[in-house]
Amino acid sequence: QVQLQESGPGLVKPSETLSLTCDVSGYSISSGYYWGWIRQPPGKGLEWIASVYHSGSTYYNPSLNSRVTISVDTSKNQFSLELSSVTAADTAVYYCARVVTGRYYFDYWGQGTLVTVSS
Amino acid sequence: QSALIQPASVSGSPGQSITISCTGTSSDVGGYNYVSWYQQHPGKAPKLMIYEVSNRPSGVSHRFSGSKSGNTASLTISGLQAEDEADYYCSSYTTITPHVFGTGTKVTVL
Repeated sequence: QVQLQESGPGLVKPSETLSLTCDVSGYSISSGYYWGWIRQPPGKGLEWIASVYHSGSTYYNPSLNSRVTISVDTSKNQFSLELSSVTAADTAVYYCARVVTGRYYFDYWGQGTLVTVSS
Repeated sequence: QSALIQPASVSGSPGQSITISCTGTSSDVGGYNYVSWYQQHPGKAPKLMIYEVSNRPSGVSHRFSGSKSGNTASLTISGLQAEDEADYYCSSYTTITPHVFGTGTKVTVL
């Protein structure tokens, strides 16, 4: 059974960089699939942030592109997200998920982690 | 890329059928058969319910079905049950980005 688990600081100061990691178990990232990050501000809808392939190929949401970096570490079977210059608008629950390659849907999700941007 | 448009809320009585719409453009919903639907209960992660317009993953109830006509996709829940009360989101591939989500629909079982 594929399982994903997000980890990272729950509180980030404005203008700093938000960093999250998603640990994957039950499946080797090196075997394929894209891996993505999605966020959900409190009481609001879902927003796709970025996706990465095990080879390092990436896709970014154009609205966040300039502030986002997604990367993969196959040796640790994990992938990561960095979002720079955060503001209160970046406060959200951040989910990591597996993306079915070439079919564009998320089949496994992590439980999500709340990140609050506040001084 | 703008969010796909969904009704804010839909309600129905137990046993009834309801349909949630997801309206986009020819650059997303209308142009590709890569529409998926997700169910989200409060405080929980989204769960895949439908992929590629009308396919159900293993383990998802047959009461959930998907379809598409033109630029609008739909999720139908038949035989509505109390456990179906949740938020539902559609998602589609687009010519600009691989994913855009809908605005979300709150389903209430009366």
